[in-house]
Amino acid sequence: QQQVKQSPQSLIVQKGGISIINCAYENTAFDYFPWYQQFPGKGPALLIAIRPDVSEKKEGRFTISFNKSAKQFSLHIMDSQPGDSATYFCAAYNTNAGKSTFGDGTTLTVKP
Amino acid sequence: DTGVSQNPRHKITKRGQNVTFRCDPISEHNRLYWYRQTLGQGPEFLTYFQNEAQLEKSRLLSDRFSAERPKGSFSTLEIQRTEQGDSAMYLCASSLGQGWQPQHFGDGTRLSIL
Repeated sequence: QQQVKQSPQSLIVQKGGISIINCAYENTAFDYFPWYQQFPGKGPALLIAIRPDVSEKKEGRFTISFNKSAKQFSLHIMDSQPGDSATYFCAAYNTNAGKSTFGDGTTLTVKP
Repeated sequence: DTGVSQNPRHKITKRGQNVTFRCDPISEHNRLYWYRQTLGQGPEFLTYFQNEAQLEKSRLLSDRFSAERPKGSFSTLEIQRTEQGDSAMYLCASSLGQGWQPQHFGDGTRLSIL
């Protein structure tokens, strides 16, 4: 049972464009929603996270949009740069269980 | 600020052998997590510790897997009688305790079973 579904699997955008990655979850027990960035050979690094009582959170070029009723959330990367080329994972955290469930990742390529 | 350290970075072993990985978390972090990541997949939760207590274990963690965190500092993950399906990246993360806190990941140990 895949509790966090992520799309697309891969994404190619031009430099300066907007990258959009979407995730959907099923378990309403999830109560925090982080996004991670992972480069080859490295562990995931936290980018930005949002609580379900907030509809949008922005940090620099990264914005999370959250739709609690639809159980969906998305990451928007504005003014995408070649250095943003990486794999991005959405996740959902269950405080009671103390664990995160990750999506399968989106490989982003930003072309110069 | 030293991050999460994992050793070894790579481990190649024959099927049936036992392997042990070590994770040194960020010093003030009392929570420590183990994940497994296979190619093209997101990290899968295996287990986590609050200080030295192991609070949650995934069903993925068969009886061949055991994790310890003596004295609430570093942690070890042991896999006994390794199988081909154990080939993966094993990631460790640590965080401060209570509620959601950012998890800081190490760069993992890549296990290859011959």
